[in-house]
Amino acid sequence: QQQVKQSPQSLIVQKGGISIINCAYENTAFDYFPWYQQFPGKGPALLIAIRPDVSEKKEGRFTISFNKSAKQFSLHIMDSQPGDSATYFCAASLNSGGSNYKLTFGKGTLLTVNP
Amino acid sequence: NAGVTQTPKFQVLKTGQSMTLQCAQDMNHNSMYWYRQDPGMGLRLIYYSASEGTTDKGEVPNGYNVSRLNKREFSLRLESAAPSQTSVYFCASSEVRRGKHGYTFGSGTRLTVV
Repeated sequence: QQQVKQSPQSLIVQKGGISIINCAYENTAFDYFPWYQQFPGKGPALLIAIRPDVSEKKEGRFTISFNKSAKQFSLHIMDSQPGDSATYFCAASLNSGGSNYKLTFGKGTLLTVNP
Repeated sequence: NAGVTQTPKFQVLKTGQSMTLQCAQDMNHNSMYWYRQDPGMGLRLIYYSASEGTTDKGEVPNGYNVSRLNKREFSLRLESAAPSQTSVYFCASSEVRRGKHGYTFGSGTRLTVV
């Protein structure tokens, strides 16, 4: 049972365009929704995150939109640059006791930004 | 700042061989995790350790064992490697600060079982 569904699998965008990646979740107990960026040969790195009591969060060119009723959230990359080319993972976090939070990841989106 | 350090970076094993993947973090985080990453499958949790002295199974624990040696170190052991365990393995650690939490990942171990 896949708890976090991510789409599309791959995305090609022209430089300066907007990249949009979508995720949907099933478990309403999830309480934190981060996005991770991964470059080839590297581990994922936290990009931006949002809590379900907020509908939007913006950090520079990156924006998360969150729709709690629809159980969906998305990442928007404005003015996409070739350096943004990477794999992006959405995730959802669940408190598994004390200060421990388990992340469930989507399957990832390979973003290619053409110059 | 080293963050999360994984060794080795690459390994080739024959079916049936055993090996231990090492992970150490220097951020004083309580929680540590092992994930595997396979094409089209995302990151799947193998085992995690909420604190020193505790370990729990994740989504895909079969064929693996773990040891939380101390607060810094969390190792993953393959007792009898199988081709299905060919994957990239990531260790991560996490903390909660001011209500926010995030994982710090190592750079991965690429394991091939032939």
